[in-house]
Amino acid sequence: EAGVTQFPSHSVIEKGQTVTLRCDPISGHDNLYWYRRVMGKEIKFLLHFVKESKQDESGMPNNRFLAERTGGTYSTLKVQPAELEDSGVYFCASSQEGRSLSGNTIYFGEGSWLTVV
Amino acid sequence: AQSVTQLGSHVSVSEGALVLLRCNYSSSVPPYLFWYVQYPNQGLQLLLKYTSAATLVKGINGFEAEFKKSETSFHLTKPSAHMSDAAEYFCAGMNYGGATNKLIFGTGTLLAVQP
Repeated sequence: EAGVTQFPSHSVIEKGQTVTLRCDPISGHDNLYWYRRVMGKEIKFLLHFVKESKQDESGMPNNRFLAERTGGTYSTLKVQPAELEDSGVYFCASSQEGRSLSGNTIYFGEGSWLTVV
Repeated sequence: AQSVTQLGSHVSVSEGALVLLRCNYSSSVPPYLFWYVQYPNQGLQLLLKYTSAATLVKGINGFEAEFKKSETSFHLTKPSAHMSDAAEYFCAGMNYGGATNKLIFGTGTLLAVQP
């Protein structure tokens, strides 16, 4: 079974440009999360989808960030326009339905490394 | 957990030596706690998790962690380090029952294993 896959793995863009990151969760996982790690800092929560609905987007830094999950399958995270401080690693994660932790491990992808120059 | 603190951003041990990675949490309610590992060029992989059952939790690759409420700690240990253990380790906490099961991560500890 495929894990959480993210694309692109690396991206270098200029300040002011737009970048779209994509995440394919594990098949059948209703919960999809986005996290970000800025260099030298901790991994921080951005938002949480349950199927196609945004459950919690309290971690989104500002309105330059837009996340979507059409049809409750894959998700995209768009940064427009990108700023220097947006550089970092963007992790996507998924877990099965429900909020029980006993069996619902959160699985992470390999991350999308974004560099804004 | 409202916050998670990892003591030591870099830890170096010799192959065969004890691995001890420290994690403390602050929480007003009993937390769920996790250790994740990131090997070079790979994603985050769950090592183990504490969900209020046994206080000593065994994980993959010979790692284990003990939840100590009196010390608000959840340190990760392994009796004998292997070269393959070189990676970055993240402690994370979660307050189950909120609107979302979001993880609160520590800043990570980079483990180096010397031959």
